[in-house]
Amino acid sequence: DGGITQSPKYLFRKEGQNVTLSCEQNLNHDAMYWYRQDPGQGLRLIYYSQIVNDFQKGDIAEGYSVSREKKESFPLTVTSAQKNPTAFYLCASSIGGQGYITGELFFGEGSRLTVL
Amino acid sequence: KQEVTQIPAALSVPEGENLVLNCSFTDSAIYNLQWFRQDPGKGLTSLLLIQSSQREQTSGRLNASLDKSSGRSTLYIAASQPGDSATYLCAVKDNDMRFGAGTRLTVKP
Repeated sequence: DGGITQSPKYLFRKEGQNVTLSCEQNLNHDAMYWYRQDPGQGLRLIYYSQIVNDFQKGDIAEGYSVSREKKESFPLTVTSAQKNPTAFYLCASSIGGQGYITGELFFGEGSRLTVL
Repeated sequence: KQEVTQIPAALSVPEGENLVLNCSFTDSAIYNLQWFRQDPGKGLTSLLLIQSSQREQTSGRLNASLDKSSGRSTLYIAASQPGDSATYLCAVKDNDMRFGAGTRLTVKP
């Protein structure tokens, strides 16, 4: 089945550690996104990528890093510089990038990161 | 900057009731609006996508409408069921994608 796979589903991090969240899609979508979801708030965009080897900062990129070496994969690293990393992280993809106006968005199942 | 608001934040209804969820946005220059469902601890599932040139979209018991001039969209759920209990989010696309905080719906048996 086509879809977006995020792993791990749950992740615990000690302060000062970097952690990497995986996102893989087999929808042949060009664009991929990382969002952060906090209770009672709308989703906030961390990073997005419209094409392989290119990515752009979203609204809350500080303390995060990404790579896009393959079309199917868009991993997110939460670095020790992120001061409040406990949150639910969602990966999404769409057939085209930010400039593709029809842009239906599809999501993975999410990864919950907790800082101990 | 586009702002998306969903009111109420939570809604509880008895099974079988028809209901309407609201979404408002501040800038009418949008390309599309998308409604999602989110179950606890899960990702978002796309329900309906309305392009800016459309007024409504229907899927089964769901009907979403769009009034760009007034900055409003509604999601109508007919004959609600306990399985409809979830959080419903709307998102509008202009140059970015902006999400509301969602309405948490509980349908009581």
